[in-house]
Amino acid sequence: ETGVTQSPTHLIKTRGQQVTLRCSSQSGHNTVSWYQQALGQGPQFIFQYYREEENGRGNFPPRFSGLQFPNYSSELNVNALELDDSALYLCASSSGQRGTDTQYFGPGTRLTVL
Amino acid sequence: GDSVTQMEGPVTLSEEAFLTINCTYTATGYPSLFWYVQYPGEGLQLLLKATKADDKGSNKGFEATYRKETTSFHLEKGSVQVSDSAVYFCALGAWTGKLIFGQGTTLQVKP
Repeated sequence: ETGVTQSPTHLIKTRGQQVTLRCSSQSGHNTVSWYQQALGQGPQFIFQYYREEENGRGNFPPRFSGLQFPNYSSELNVNALELDDSALYLCASSSGQRGTDTQYFGPGTRLTVL
Repeated sequence: GDSVTQMEGPVTLSEEAFLTINCTYTATGYPSLFWYVQYPGEGLQLLLKATKADDKGSNKGFEATYRKETTSFHLEKGSVQVSDSAVYFCALGAWTGKLIFGQGTTLQVKP
């Protein structure tokens, strides 16, 4: 069974650019959640997708957007990058959208904004 | 709103010492509770979970009991190893489906 995978591993962008991060969910999972983890902090919830629909959003501006595809893989897009967007972006998949459903995390994408 | 508070680190122990990392939460309803571990340069790995009051989660010698009366989910291990050195996160599974994390506790185990 393949776990959650993310690409790319590392990314360097400059302020004002746009970035797309990708996530493949674990086999059998229909829900993908995205988190931002700043250095030395706990992950912060960005949004969740359940069966291709957004199913909740954290306190992030609209320039953070996402998609989920029919195979349940997902993308996170960030427009107009700011220095504070530098962080580890984590994707997690689960078999449902409830709080009781265990979320399994990928290795993350390290984004650096210069 | 829902929140999780963990004891501040770093926690430094000698090998074979007893470990406790405190975690308390504030939540509406009856959340699930989780402990995740993060090794340097990696994503989060699920360590254990509990879905209702008095449940005990356990894995790899780690244990935590869901205490509704004290709104706590403290992580314990009887004898730590150097390989347990990592950052530990307590998290709450909100009814909305999102995870709310504490700020993390760094554990360093010395030989």
